[in-house]
Order: sequence, then structure tokens, then C-alpha cells
Amino acid sequence: GQSLEQPSEVTAVEGAIVQINCTYQTSGFYGLSWYQQHDGGAPTFLSYNGLDGLEETGRFSSFLSRSDSYGYLLLQELQMKDSASYFCAPNLNRDDKIIFGKGTRLHILP
Amino acid sequence: DTEVTQTPKHLVMGMTNKKSLKCEQHMGHRAMYWYKQKAKKPPELMFVYSYEKLSINESVPSRFSPECPNSSLLNLHLHALQPEDSALYLCASSQDGTGNTEAFFGQGTRLTVV
Repeated sequence: GQSLEQPSEVTAVEGAIVQINCTYQTSGFYGLSWYQQHDGGAPTFLSYNGLDGLEETGRFSSFLSRSDSYGYLLLQELQMKDSASYFCAPNLNRDDKIIFGKGTRLHILP
Repeated sequence: DTEVTQTPKHLVMGMTNKKSLKCEQHMGHRAMYWYKQKAKKPPELMFVYSYEKLSINESVPSRFSPECPNSSLLNLHLHALQPEDSALYLCASSQDGTGNTEAFFGQGTRLTVV
């Protein structure tokens, strides 16, 4: 079977840094993506890790450790507009199969 | 053009109706997806088309019937749905599965079954 674990909610202060963790147990793991979804909106791609290590894209960074079946999304200099749900999404088996974790709701306090 | 366009945006249908959801992309992507999303839940994969052929069916009931008429279009035909099928239906596309498989999502069709 497959399992994906990420915290259901995280709260942080504007301007701070927050890390959202994701652990996974899947068959045919190929890489890990992260998506952001605002209420009423569509998921939008943030980052992808095909190899172990850190990928940086502006204020967002993502990390992957295949040996630990673990990844995280790091958001820096938090802004109110970052209030959204964040999903880790493993790519499986090179068959274009992308599944989503349960999502982490990020609340930003002023 | 990095858009995935879905129509209609909203749909209300009765349990005996037949309707179709449409999705279009002009990015040359070879993989297209249907996801179902209930409120406060993650997107749930339904179907994947690769090079216009159905490659993944996640044990979706037959009252949902996907179709890929060409490389830019994806349809989801609906028939005899149940009220519990009410959800946001998201279409997505991606270039390939060999690397950074960024999926682009449409804004979805919000379906209500009455």
C-alpha cells in the first residue's frame, strides 16, 4: 500500500520561516513534488526533487532524502498570501502517476 | 500559453442526466489527468492519459467515462451519478514522466448532483 504523512495544520507569523514535513511509503517512487492550493483555487506547482538534496526556488526550498523516505518544504519570509494548503505529491513509477498527501493547512498570523 | 482550460466552471445535474466535462491544453503535454477533490480533502487521482491512451484508471466507477479525442483535449462523461459524486473535478496536464513532472491544473468544474 501507499501512505503519505504530513501535518494537518501549521501556524506561523508573517516574516518567519516554516517547514512542512512529508514522509512517504510508496511503491515505484520517482520523485517528490510540492503543490500549493488557495481556497477556491487550483493546485499550483511549487517544487520538485528527483534527487536527494535541497532545491531552492526563491522563497521556497524543498528537500528530499530517499533513504529516509522523507522530504520537506521550507517557506521563508512568510507573507499573508502564503496562507494556503500545501501538498506533497510523489511521482510514481515514471508512469505520470502523481498522488497527493492529505495536505497541510498553513495559517499566517500578522 | 501555460493554461489548462476546463468547462463548464459549474454544473448541476440530476441523477438520471448525462453530461460531459471538458478540458483543453495547448502546451504540447503528453500526459493528462482527471482528479476529484472534495472539500478540505486532497485531490484524488481518477484517470491518467499518456499519448492519448488511458494508462491509469484508479478503480473509478463506470458511471465516469474518460475520453481523449486528441492530444489537446480530455473529456469526462458522466452518467447516473450519485449525490456523493458532488465535488470539484480537476483536469491537469504534464509534459512527461521522465523528470520534473510539473503538472498544470485547470480551475476545475464544481459539480453538484441532485
